[in-house]
Amino acid sequence: KAGVTQTPRYLIKTRGQQVTLSCSPISGHRSVSWYQQTPGQGLQFLFEYFSETQRNKGNFPGRFSGRQFSNSRSEMNVSTLELGDSALYLCASRREINEKLFFGSGTQLSVL
Amino acid sequence: GNSVTQMEGPVTLSEEAFLTINCTYTATGYPSLFWYVQYPGEGLQLLLKATKADDKGSNKGFEATYRKETTSFHLEKGSVQVSDSAVYFCALGMAGGGADGLTFGKGTHLIIQP
Repeated sequence: KAGVTQTPRYLIKTRGQQVTLSCSPISGHRSVSWYQQTPGQGLQFLFEYFSETQRNKGNFPGRFSGRQFSNSRSEMNVSTLELGDSALYLCASRREINEKLFFGSGTQLSVL
Repeated sequence: GNSVTQMEGPVTLSEEAFLTINCTYTATGYPSLFWYVQYPGEGLQLLLKATKADDKGSNKGFEATYRKETTSFHLEKGSVQVSDSAVYFCALGMAGGGADGLTFGKGTHLIIQP
């Protein structure tokens, strides 16, 4: 069974640009969550989608948005990139709420 | 709000040493507690969990006991191996997924020397 797949693995952007990250959950998993990992702030919750609906949202500005498609794949978009957005973005999926989370290897975003 | 505090390290030990990584939490309500491990270049993997007070989670020789009276969930292993070198994250989550997803500690970098 394939794990959580995130693409691309690495990404370099410049300030002001926008970026879209992709996450394919494990087959049969309906929930996808996104986390930002930085050395200073650690792991912070961005949002969670379940059956195409945003369930929960963390404390991030509106520049951070996401969506989930009918096949449970999810995308995360960051507009007007800032230097502080440089981070490892992790996606996690689970079959149902309250079940175990499975994490992908992440997308390393560098903003120059 | 909820928070998790853990020693950040790096923690350097010799092979076969005893390991303790401290983790304390604050939460409203009754959270579930987790330890995740992250190996270099990889995502997080669930190591163990406990869902209620006095529960003990265990996996691969690691153990942690949910202590409500001290709001702690310390990770222990009796004899560490070089392959245990990784970053360990303590986390809490509320029933139903919670409004804030999982709340993580900053992570503890563990280095095991042969």
